[in-house]
Amino acid sequence: DAKTTQPNSMESNEEEPVHLPCNHSTISGTDYIHWYRQLPSQGPEYVIHGLTSNVNNRMASLAIAEDRKSSTLILHRATLRDAAVYYCILSWETSGSRLTFGEGTQLTVNP
Amino acid sequence: AAGVIQSPRHLIKEKRETATLKCYPIPRHDTVYWYQQGPGQDPQFLISFYEKMQSDKGSIPDRFSAQQFSDYHSELNMSSLELGDSALYFCASSLAGGRAAGELFFGEGSRLTVL
Repeated sequence: DAKTTQPNSMESNEEEPVHLPCNHSTISGTDYIHWYRQLPSQGPEYVIHGLTSNVNNRMASLAIAEDRKSSTLILHRATLRDAAVYYCILSWETSGSRLTFGEGTQLTVNP
Repeated sequence: AAGVIQSPRHLIKEKRETATLKCYPIPRHDTVYWYQQGPGQDPQFLISFYEKMQSDKGSIPDRFSAQQFSDYHSELNMSSLELGDSALYFCASSLAGGRAAGELFFGEGSRLTVL
């Protein structure tokens, strides 16, 4: 699996935007970029995914660098409920293939 | 909306006993994944099934086995339990279509405690 690198922790204030970076310099052309988050004592939750173009959904935006060696998850207005561990994951296009969780970013949101 | 159902939610076993965890995927999802998460650790992939066939295998001990049944539910069987098997076990399901189809939906997990 291609490796991703994320900061161990980040802090934000409520209602401010949050930019969570992820480096994946060994990404291959067929790797998708996924973001999941895990709140305490809960299962991981899908946030967003993309291949080459920037993506938006109701939860977040995903900005992918032109060379695809890095990406940024953007939470437009952080809430206390967004405090979680955020995982950036690469995977290939095969039904049933694994998602490998590495060391994500612990996001703290201050009131 | 229906979610991934895991049972039991909590399970306490003695060393060397066996345990079975069950996972019921979201209706019409045909792919199931099992993950193990130890205390303070990140989820570790164990095994996955697509259309009732094993599709990928991770760091699953030989003492563990799993299968997906005709109704797409899955069971994870763990034998000769060790203290180190104490963990949260998550099941996830997804639709076919590979990664382009997007997300895995995770259950709330089964917490196994081995004494």
